[in-house]
Amino acid sequence: GAVVSQHPSRVICKSGTSVKIECRSLDFQATTMFWYRQFPKQSLMLMATSNEGSKATYEQGVEKDKFLINHASLTLSTLTVTSAHPEDSSFYICSAFKGGGRVTQYFGPGTRLTVL
Amino acid sequence: GQQLNQSPQSMFIQEGEDVSMNCTSSSIFNTWLWYKQDPGEGPVLLIALYKAGELTSNGRLTAQFGITRKDSFLNISASIPSDVGIYFCAGRQYGGSQGNLIFGKGTKLSVKP
Repeated sequence: GAVVSQHPSRVICKSGTSVKIECRSLDFQATTMFWYRQFPKQSLMLMATSNEGSKATYEQGVEKDKFLINHASLTLSTLTVTSAHPEDSSFYICSAFKGGGRVTQYFGPGTRLTVL
Repeated sequence: GQQLNQSPQSMFIQEGEDVSMNCTSSSIFNTWLWYKQDPGEGPVLLIALYKAGELTSNGRLTAQFGITRKDSFLNISASIPSDVGIYFCAGRQYGGSQGNLIFGKGTKLSVKP
């Protein structure tokens, strides 16, 4: 299957700082990537849809000024958590949409963010 | 919003047992995907289904796209300890923009004590 990477896998930061998470599709081009947040023992919650070359589409309740998304190329999307607070601590997972004859979605390994 | 009803929520398995889980919806989907997630990791795609009635296997895993297009099941035969984890179904609807999956809440597989 296709490979999606995320970096970093874990990050601990102080309250008030910003953190950038990268998501890369390693062996295919992804015009669309998605960012999810997952709380313990829960399913994935879609935060935003990232389209290459255009603005991201945010789900209701997700602050676009707090969670900045940039999809600069067909293989890279970044999520920046600005002015992070302890309540932003979570597991963030990206996925990349692979189109073509049989469309599917592949997930990255996730990033564990802890804000102190 | 749209929902997928995934059941069971959790189950205990003994090595060698067969396992079955399913997802249902009130809406029609054009794609069903099954993922497994281990603790602290992202979901890994197990099986993808694209046509009503399609039955697809991946090793000991078998999944089917329901004829009504509103349901799917996943079976695991002769379970082994490494099968433990959380299994998610996900569906994509007709007419939607490319992407966004709707997820079930997951089925947690654990080993019987």
